[in-house]
Amino acid sequence: LAKTTQPISMDSYEGQEVNITCSHNNIATNDYITWYQQFPSQGPRFIIQGYKTKVTNEVASLFIPADRKSSTLSLPRVSLSDTAVYYCLVGDRSGYSTLTFGKGTMLLVSP
Amino acid sequence: DAEITQSPRHKITETGRQVTLACHQTWNHNNMFWYRQDLGHGLRLIHYSYGVQDTNKGEVSDGYSVSRSNTEDLPLTLESAASSQTSVYFCASSESGGTAYNEQFFGPGTRLTVL
Repeated sequence: LAKTTQPISMDSYEGQEVNITCSHNNIATNDYITWYQQFPSQGPRFIIQGYKTKVTNEVASLFIPADRKSSTLSLPRVSLSDTAVYYCLVGDRSGYSTLTFGKGTMLLVSP
Repeated sequence: DAEITQSPRHKITETGRQVTLACHQTWNHNNMFWYRQDLGHGLRLIHYSYGVQDTNKGEVSDGYSVSRSNTEDLPLTLESAASSQTSVYFCASSESGGTAYNEQFFGPGTRLTVL
C-alpha cells in the first residue's frame, strides 16, 4: 500500500500558479496517481490521473518524475473558486479496499 | 444525464435506532462505495461492492452493513445508530475493468446526526 503525504494547507492569490506536491515513496509498479478536488458540502470530484511524466487537461497538469516517488498537481492562474481540498491517491483497480483519501491539502485562494 | 443520488440529504436519529441511507446511480457502474467524512479524518471507506451480490468491508465497517441486489443501488444500514456515527456519508460509483484506478463519481452526501 502506497501511503501519501501532502501539505495540510496552502495559501495563494488569484492569478497565481499553485503547485501541490504529494509524496508516495512506496508506489508500486502498477499504481496510478489520481487527484481529486472537494468543495465544501460536496463530494470529491476527479481532476486528473497519470502514471508517469506529464499529463495535462483543461483543469490542471500533473507532473510525475521518473522515480514516481512524488507527484505535483499544478493549477494555472487560480481563482477564488479553486478554494477547495485536494486529495492525492495512489493505487490501481485491485486496491479499492486500501485506497484512502487521507486529509488532503486545503487550498485557500485570496483576492 | 447519468447521475448518482443520495437520500435523505439530512437525517437526525436517536441512539439505538436502525437507519438506512440510500444511494442510487444511473451510470450502470459495477463498482459502488460508501465513505464517511469527519473533521480531521478525511474520507474513510466503509463498504464497497464490485457487482450484484458482492459486498466487501472497508477500513471502518463496524456497525454498518450493505447489500447489493441490483446494479443501481447500494443502501447503507446502521444497525443500531451510535453518536460516533454522526458524520457526512458519501456514496460513489466507478466503472470496472482496465488497469488504472477508475474515476469515482460521488453523490452529494448525507449528513447524519445521531442524538
